[in-house]
Amino acid sequence: AQTVTQSQPEMSVQEAETVTLSCTYDTSESDYYLFWYKQPPSRQMILVIRQEAYKQQNATENRFSVNFQKAAKSFSLKISDSQLGDAAMYFCAYRSASRGSQGNLIFGKGTKLSVKP
Amino acid sequence: GAGVSQSPRYKVAKRGQDVALRCDPISGHVSLFWYQQALGQGPEFLTYFQNEAQLDKSGLPSDRFFAERPEGSVSTLKIQRTQQEDSAVYLCASSTTPYGGSHEQFFGPGTRLTVL
Repeated sequence: AQTVTQSQPEMSVQEAETVTLSCTYDTSESDYYLFWYKQPPSRQMILVIRQEAYKQQNATENRFSVNFQKAAKSFSLKISDSQLGDAAMYFCAYRSASRGSQGNLIFGKGTKLSVKP
Repeated sequence: GAGVSQSPRYKVAKRGQDVALRCDPISGHVSLFWYQQALGQGPEFLTYFQNEAQLDKSGLPSDRFFAERPEGSVSTLKIQRTQQEDSAVYLCASSTTPYGGSHEQFFGPGTRLTVL
């Protein structure tokens, strides 16, 4: 079974600075997808960024980028120029690409990010 | 356009009561997922629908949990004889495609269930 581990329960960053959130996963599959989701307080979860495992190039979305290390099974999220609105819970998630998979996400326990003004 | 909606947003039940949680996915979305998120944890998969067919219910924690999507749109998660350990936020998510891939799952705001 696949597992996702986020080893940082809480992180803090100064506004305008850069922060990196860690995520590792365990799988025996060679093809899969990885995601970072943001869950603001009392608001719904939204997708931040996604990565296909077969792509070597790291995904970027504006101030958000990932460092995908397939051999190390590591998938960290870097937030540049942090803004107050980035404060939220961040979840790393895995989805199998196997033929029999229904596409459900496997989540880590999350990292609570605080942004200091 | 409208996103995924869920109702009620909050539900308090006495232990032993039955509850029904509703999910309205984005119109036209084929896939619908239910997740359970305990306090301080990440969401955990409960069940999956492709249109009206429930193709995976491996995550349902007991036979007290039942889900349906009879017309392939709105879905209801029913919990019978609620227990305190059922207290959690129940999230619904929908997706355009009948398979996983990298396609985004759009989440609803969740229903926070508290069992006293």
